[in-house]
Amino acid sequence: ILNVEQSPQSLHVQEGDSTNFTCSFPSSNFYALHWYRWETAKSPEALFVMTLNGDEKKKGRISATLNTKEGYSYLYIKGSQPEDSATYLCAPPKAAGNKLTFGGGTRVLVKP
Amino acid sequence: DAGITQSPRHKVTETGTPVTLRCHQTENHRYMYWYRQDPGHGLRLIHYSYGVKDTDKGEVSDGYSVSRSKTEDFLLTLESATSSQTSVYFCAISLGQGAEQYFGPGTRLTVT
Repeated sequence: ILNVEQSPQSLHVQEGDSTNFTCSFPSSNFYALHWYRWETAKSPEALFVMTLNGDEKKKGRISATLNTKEGYSYLYIKGSQPEDSATYLCAPPKAAGNKLTFGGGTRVLVKP
Repeated sequence: DAGITQSPRHKVTETGTPVTLRCHQTENHRYMYWYRQDPGHGLRLIHYSYGVKDTDKGEVSDGYSVSRSKTEDFLLTLESATSSQTSVYFCAISLGQGAEQYFGPGTRLTVT
């Protein structure tokens, strides 16, 4: 079982402010890293699949970077809005079966 | 949205009774997964399937069995439900290795 850690566990952000948080994962035998967004009472939705060291992905105001050598990824939210309130999960898959091991998530609450 | 449905969406059952949850997809994706969501544990993989009649265990498979006789259906069975299996169960699908996973709406199971 992979050891995946996300920090912080939760954060409160004022509307309009930018924020970022971290996902740490084992750097050995790296294959890929998934990011998911999970709103309360809904299902997780994929944000990014990242595979290359130095990769940067962007979707609207959300972006992510990847460092496979040191085993971490940052997710950034620029100009946070209330609709960004969600739990953000990262998960490195195993190559065999694309099995995901999820981190505990970072719960983001954007206050108007 | 990916065509994934789960049935039932809610179920209350008694300890010791068998329970089967169904995941149905219309996307013809090869891989299918069952997760459970619990406070303090996040999402954990129970079982997954990489094709018809091809299944394998995840990290929390004890007490669960699965079957996949058709591409579109993945069944999760609790042979004799216990209170520790009270949880929200999510099904997910993916095209294959490296691909993002799409999640179903979830099934809330309560074992009394």
